[in-house]
Amino acid sequence: DTEVTQTPKHLVMGMTNKKSLKCEQHMGHRAMYWYKQKAKKPPELMFVYSYEKLSINESVPSRFSPECPNSSLLNLHLHALQPEDSALYLCASSRFSALPGNTIYFGEGSWLTVV
Amino acid sequence: AQRVTQPEKLLSVFKGAPVELKCNYSYSGSPELFWYVQYSRQRLQLLLRHISRESIKGFTADLNKGETSFHLKKPFAQEEDSAMYYCALNGGGADGLTFGKGTHLIIQP
Repeated sequence: DTEVTQTPKHLVMGMTNKKSLKCEQHMGHRAMYWYKQKAKKPPELMFVYSYEKLSINESVPSRFSPECPNSSLLNLHLHALQPEDSALYLCASSRFSALPGNTIYFGEGSWLTVV
Repeated sequence: AQRVTQPEKLLSVFKGAPVELKCNYSYSGSPELFWYVQYSRQRLQLLLRHISRESIKGFTADLNKGETSFHLKKPFAQEEDSAMYYCALNGGGADGLTFGKGTHLIIQP
């Protein structure tokens, strides 16, 4: 099973709403990632969690708040987003975060529209 | 700094023709290179990684350290190969993958 599961698949939210994106993997991976992808663009790294600790935050605005409750789950809490935050949000995982040969597996993504 | 360059934003070839998607990288150490494919509105899927030297869906890619390239090739393109292809590098640091800008491959019937 090389599956990373993301919910919801689609989310429409207003600029004053608070919502969360969820991600789950049961591959025993100890690194989990959030990426943001705009149409026809490559994914951009947002956050990296390694052993449930935030190891990388790529200067992401505070309206995005990640959380890693345990080694299988990763959340992205959203609050006061802007329309330009509309994108595909991809969760990914890998065995470790800082070793070569580290294949990263992606979920299907959550399509977020901010109105 | 690590960088991945995919010079072609769009590549259109006829069905049955050979395909080569170019990828060049810049990295001071020994990188791990990957090709990911993303079909329309689907997840990003791992297609190939250079350490496994596999052939997936007829695609192959060879790491050329002298030319710092990892071009993706297929001898006979099929219509279902139409997709976005991303070359990616893992430098072994804690910052995940560095992606190229992607190449949109269109296979014409």
